[in-house]
Amino acid sequence: KAGVTQTPRYLIKTRGQQVTLSCSPISGHRSVSWYQQTPGQGLQFLFEYFSETQRNKGNFPGRFSGRQFSNSRSEMNVSTLELGDSALYLCASSGSGANVLTFGAGSRLTVL
Amino acid sequence: DQQVKQNSPSLSVQEGRISILNCDYTNSMFDYFLWYKKYPAEGPTFLISISSIKDKNEDGRFTVFLNKSAKHLSLHIVPSQPGDSAVYFCAAIPGTYKYIFGTGTRLKVLA
Repeated sequence: KAGVTQTPRYLIKTRGQQVTLSCSPISGHRSVSWYQQTPGQGLQFLFEYFSETQRNKGNFPGRFSGRQFSNSRSEMNVSTLELGDSALYLCASSGSGANVLTFGAGSRLTVL
Repeated sequence: DQQVKQNSPSLSVQEGRISILNCDYTNSMFDYFLWYKKYPAEGPTFLISISSIKDKNEDGRFTVFLNKSAKHLSLHIVPSQPGDSAVYFCAAIPGTYKYIFGTGTRLKVLA
């Protein structure tokens, strides 16, 4: 079955702009979570959605937001981009009650 | 505050020898731990996991050990192969729909 699909894979933005990243989970997976990966910081949890409801949120400013649609696809948005937002943004999905996350290949954002 | 720590950013090992990757955590309430492997330009992939009720879990060449009293987790790869060269992340699940990841250890297996 198809894996987790993230689009776009690469993008370049300038400070002050906003960006929307998309994630299509594995078919049947209803939980989608987002992580930010930066050098030296590992993977930092952004938020997790299940059946269109945000169940948990990490310690990121309000510029970072997300949502989940009825088909379990998810988007995350970053407004008023800052240089420090340059990172690899990873989406992961999991089935009900499962502890294992399956990750997409990520969206690499560069903010100039 | 980093609740899951991987204090070695990198490790080099000869092919065929044992690779030992370490991870420390601070919260004794963590009850499930996982290791993920990440190649460049790919997302992390699940490797092996362990519940806090166990102290060892084995899957082929990969074994994870959990020392709850020391709050320490380790991943052993025996024998190491060049294809194992990747960044390895340990993660803990505190039971609130999120993972807490370490900062990763880059393993290089030398042929």
